[in-house]
Amino acid sequence: EDQVTQSPEALRLQEGESSSLNCSYTVSGLRGLFWYRQDPGKGPEFLFTLYSAGEEKEKERLKATLTKKESFLHITAPKPEDSATYLCAVQASSRQETSGSRLTFGEGTQLTVNP
Amino acid sequence: DAGITQSPRHKVTETGTPVTLRCHQTENHRYMYWYRQDPGHGLRLIHYSYGVKDTDKGEVSDGYSVSRSKTEDFLLTLESATSSQTSVYFCAISERWGYGYTFGSGTRLTVV
Repeated sequence: EDQVTQSPEALRLQEGESSSLNCSYTVSGLRGLFWYRQDPGKGPEFLFTLYSAGEEKEKERLKATLTKKESFLHITAPKPEDSATYLCAVQASSRQETSGSRLTFGEGTQLTVNP
Repeated sequence: DAGITQSPRHKVTETGTPVTLRCHQTENHRYMYWYRQDPGHGLRLIHYSYGVKDTDKGEVSDGYSVSRSKTEDFLLTLESATSSQTSVYFCAISERWGYGYTFGSGTRLTVV
C-alpha cells in the first residue's frame, strides 16, 4: 500500500526565514511525486511534479527536490502570502492505465508566515 | 478553478436522505475523480472515472455511487446520507496518465 507522511504538521516562520517541508513516501515504483498548495476554503493548486531521484523544480520562492525515499519543499525568504497548507502526493507506476493517475496524498503541512 | 465546477458549494442535509454532488468540466479530460478531505485523514479517493460509463472504486467507496454519462459530468451520490459522510468533497480531473490533477473548489456537506 502506498503511503505518504508529511512533516512537520504545522510550521510557523517569520517573513524572510527560510525552511523546508518534508514528504516521506513508500510506493511500489514511483511514477511521479506531486506538490500542491491549498488555501483555506479552496481546492488544492498544483505546484510541481518530480519524476526521478535527483530532480529539482523551482517556482518563485519554492524549490522541490526528490530522493528515493523523500521529497523536500524548500521555501526561501518566505512572505505572508506563502501561508497555506502544502500537500504531497505520489503516483505508483504499477497502476494500469485504466486505473487513471491515482494519487495517494499526505495530510499536509500547514505553513504560517508572520510579517 | 477554471474549467472545473462543483455544485453545490455548500449543502446541509438530514440523515437518511439521498444527496447528489455534481462535477462539471470544460477541459475534455478523460479522467475524473471524487475525493473527500477530513482532518487527520487528508484527501482520500472515493471513486474515479477513466471514461464515459467507465468508473471504479477508490479506498473509501462504501456508501457512495457515481455516474458518468457524458465526458464533462461526473456525479457523486450518497444513497442514504450518514453523519460520517460530513466532509468536504473535491472533484479533480487529469488529462492523461502521469499527469497531476486540477481540483475544483469543493463542496462542504454537512449531514445532521
